[in-house]
Amino acid sequence: QSALTQPASVSGSPGQSITISCSGTTNDIGFYDYVSWYQQHPGKAPKVMISDVDKRPSGVSHRFSGSKSGTTASLTISGLQAEDEADYYCSSYTISKTMVFGAGTKLTVL
Amino acid sequence: QLQLQESGPGLVKPSQTLSLTCTVSGGSITSGGYYWGWIRQHPGKGLEWIGFMFHSGNTYYNPSLKSRLTISVDASKNQVFLSLRSVTAADTAVYYCTRVPSSAPGGADHWGLGTLVTVSS
Repeated sequence: QSALTQPASVSGSPGQSITISCSGTTNDIGFYDYVSWYQQHPGKAPKVMISDVDKRPSGVSHRFSGSKSGTTASLTISGLQAEDEADYYCSSYTISKTMVFGAGTKLTVL
Repeated sequence: QLQLQESGPGLVKPSQTLSLTCTVSGGSITSGGYYWGWIRQHPGKGLEWIGFMFHSGNTYYNPSLKSRLTISVDASKNQVFLSLRSVTAADTAVYYCTRVPSSAPGGADHWGLGTLVTVSS
């Protein structure tokens, strides 16, 4: 199974908005609305920020939002804060009843 | 509050079997509606899905690991197990125990803290 495609890095200044893309295929993102996004700080376990494409779990800031178009999902972080600096990963369910991840995107807050 | 705690040897010799246990507290693995499984992260690298299962026995594995992999549960102890046979240095990673909603199996909604397993002689 092929990994989802994410940009290696993105950056933004405090207060700005950034978007991280996650590109898949018609066998995963394009087939199901089962895309999740995770935030991982160094040395910590990943934390789910978005599930089912655009659902925010309880306790996650409204600054985080998700969307999907065709075979590409996106995570948008608005009002960027220093604490948002982390690695971000996307994942999707596949038609083979497996789960696949993106390689991760390093977000730098300038 | 649901908690997942991984445990097991931090060092495994090449060609041997990597065995990990995940103890679940604050909820029952038999309550239904969830897969229980494992995700790993190689040092400095991204996340890799290993596999998951229902407590009733249906298992789903990463095709690249399937021939060496067994995930099982002990419902009486509320534990989830990982067994990875014939390990090599490429299996060195942090292993996370995870819960995945069966209604939305695209991601894990609960993670353990992770345990580092090093494969080395």
